[in-house]
Amino acid sequence: GIQVEQSPPDLILQEGANSTLRCNFSDSVNNLQWFHQNPWGQLINLFYIPSGTKQNGRLSATTVATERYSLLYISSSQTTDSGVYFCAVGETSGSRLTFGEGTQLTVNP
Amino acid sequence: DSGVTQTPKHLITATGQRVTLRCSPRSGDLSVYWYQQSLDQGLQFLIQYYNGEERAKGNILERFSAQQFPDLHSELNLSSLELGDSALYFCASSVGQKTGELFFGEGSRLTVL
Repeated sequence: GIQVEQSPPDLILQEGANSTLRCNFSDSVNNLQWFHQNPWGQLINLFYIPSGTKQNGRLSATTVATERYSLLYISSSQTTDSGVYFCAVGETSGSRLTFGEGTQLTVNP
Repeated sequence: DSGVTQTPKHLITATGQRVTLRCSPRSGDLSVYWYQQSLDQGLQFLIQYYNGEERAKGNILERFSAQQFPDLHSELNLSSLELGDSALYFCASSVGQKTGELFFGEGSRLTVL
C-alpha cells in the first residue's frame, strides 16, 4: 500500500513563530487531507487539497502531486495550535485514507 | 461540528465482553469508514461501506464486524474484547465511493479493563 511520511515528528515553537510541516507520499493520490487532532482527540479537517494551494486564515497548504509531497504552513502560531497534525492520502483505487504518523506541535506562550 | 455523530463517546468494559459503536454519517453521505487509533499503531483503517455494501477492508480483526443499515447509519461490533483493543474508534463519512473529502466524528473512546 501507499506510504505516507511526515516530518518533523515533533516541533516546539514559541507563540508567534511560523512553521512548515511536510508530508511525502509514495504513489499517485486522488485525495490528500490535513487534519489537526486537538488534545481532546477530535480530528479537525484543515484542508482537502489533492493538488494546488489553499489558504484559511493563518494556515495554508500546498500539494505538488507530481512530486508527491504536500506542505502545511502555520503562521503566527498560537497556543491553541498545539496538537498533532496528520496528513492523510487516498489512493486512486479507492477513497479510504492512509494516515501518516503525524507531527506533534507544541506552541509555548 | 463535522456532522458525523458517534455514540457512545466513552465506554469502559471488561475483557471478553462485546460492545457496539454507532455512527450516523453526514446528511447526504453514502460512504462510512471506521478507523482505530491506538497508541502504538496510529490511525488504522478498518472497513468501508458504501450505500449498505462493504467496499474496502483494512486490518480489521475477525472478532470485529460492521454493517451499514438502510438509513445509512453504521455499527461496529467488537467482541471477545482484549486489553489491546483499548483505543479511540473513529467513524468518517464521504459522499462518494472512491473520491471526495472525508469528515470524521468525535470518536468513541473504548477502555478494556
